[in-house]
Amino acid sequence: AQKVTQAQTEISVVEKEDVTLDCVYETRDTTYYLFWYKQPPSGELVFLIRRNSFDEQNEISGRYSWNFQKSTSSFNFTITASQVVDSAVYFCALSEARTGFQKLVFGTGTRLLVSP
Amino acid sequence: DAGVIQSPRHEVTEMGQEVTLRCKPISGHDYLFWYRQTMMRGLELLIYFNNNVPIDDSGMPEDRFSAKMPNASFSTLKIQPSEPRDSAVYFCASSLQGGPYGYTFGSGTRLTVV
Repeated sequence: AQKVTQAQTEISVVEKEDVTLDCVYETRDTTYYLFWYKQPPSGELVFLIRRNSFDEQNEISGRYSWNFQKSTSSFNFTITASQVVDSAVYFCALSEARTGFQKLVFGTGTRLLVSP
Repeated sequence: DAGVIQSPRHEVTEMGQEVTLRCKPISGHDYLFWYRQTMMRGLELLIYFNNNVPIDDSGMPEDRFSAKMPNASFSTLKIQPSEPRDSAVYFCASSLQGGPYGYTFGSGTRLTVV
């Protein structure tokens, strides 16, 4: 069973548009961590955010914001006023208590294309 | 901090040849992870070490793959013999205290087996 689902394969927006990347996860653990990583065209994986299962507060960091809702098992990522430099593949990931939190299970990623 | 350093960045080899990928974790990190990224399977964990000891190698696809960590500052992932289906990007990541604190990934090694 897919533990992390990113249903949006690719999203195309025009610069300055807001965009939300969806992430739905599945776990039987009550304690877990959720992550977002960015993979720009250069290929490296860049850590964006970590959230533990007991902290449902939304977070904002500049143009980035994250909405964590345990009721719907979702951890969505919004970019406000998107820029061309935001073009990348974005991965949502989960680590669970059953693996000692060591194993990151990634979604299949959402490719974001921001055009000028 | 130089980050996680992987070498080589690109590797092209012929089927049947031995391939060795190298990783230098961030100094002081006690966990090291090897991931593989393919179009078909996405990002998958191959093996991870804690304090240089392999903890979980259940993701290693078959006996042709082996990984070592002889000391805290160096790890290798070896494929022998290599096959075209091993073509992928291999990432090394390190972490202080493990998964809950997130990983720092290297830039990856793009392996092409022809």
